[in-house]
Amino acid sequence: QKEVEQNSGPLSVPEGAIASLNCTYSDRGSQSFFWYRQYSGKSPELIMSIYSNGDKEDGRFTAQLNKASQYVSLLIRDSQPSDSATYLCAVTGSSGSARQLTFGSGTQLTVLP
Amino acid sequence: EPEVTQTPSHQVTQMGQEVILRCVPISNHLYFYWYRQILGQKVEFLVSFYNNEISEKSEIFDDQFSVERPDGSNFTLKIRSTKLEDSAMYFCASSREGQNYGYTFGSGTRLTVV
Repeated sequence: QKEVEQNSGPLSVPEGAIASLNCTYSDRGSQSFFWYRQYSGKSPELIMSIYSNGDKEDGRFTAQLNKASQYVSLLIRDSQPSDSATYLCAVTGSSGSARQLTFGSGTQLTVLP
Repeated sequence: EPEVTQTPSHQVTQMGQEVILRCVPISNHLYFYWYRQILGQKVEFLVSFYNNEISEKSEIFDDQFSVERPDGSNFTLKIRSTKLEDSAMYFCASSREGQNYGYTFGSGTRLTVV
């Protein structure tokens, strides 16, 4: 049973601060890792993808991957109230389930003005 | 920005009826998916579709469900004999060839079984 675990939150940060979101996964064969943002009642929106160990930066977002620790994180710098949403970690499976995304339950982020 | 289009946005159906949810994936994407999200729960994988056949499916995707690509643009999910517990948001997604591409989700169809 593949598992993706996230702290459900809620996580509250003041505007302009750094928000740190964490995720662990159980399938050592996982190859691709994604962060999605989901506003209430809406569909998941891709924020970041990461495939190799280390950091990947895109604007205010930085994804970090450590395959040895089976850990992936998302940092949001200069957080804005519009970043308030649920952030979903999603991981593809190993061979035989390589196209399946397994989602975590999400971390609810609130950015306070 | 290309997008995945889903219709209808909301479908109400009586228990036991059949429903068809429709999706138009992004035109140069080759993999198509259905996911569902029961209210307050995780997004769950149902099925992936490539080269006109199912490539992977989850335990949820039993004989009650089927998928079809009836023409060059549409991708459908059929749910036969709907049950109350089928009530959920159903998301269609698509992705390009290869594994290292993000999946683009449609805006979803909210299915309510009464």
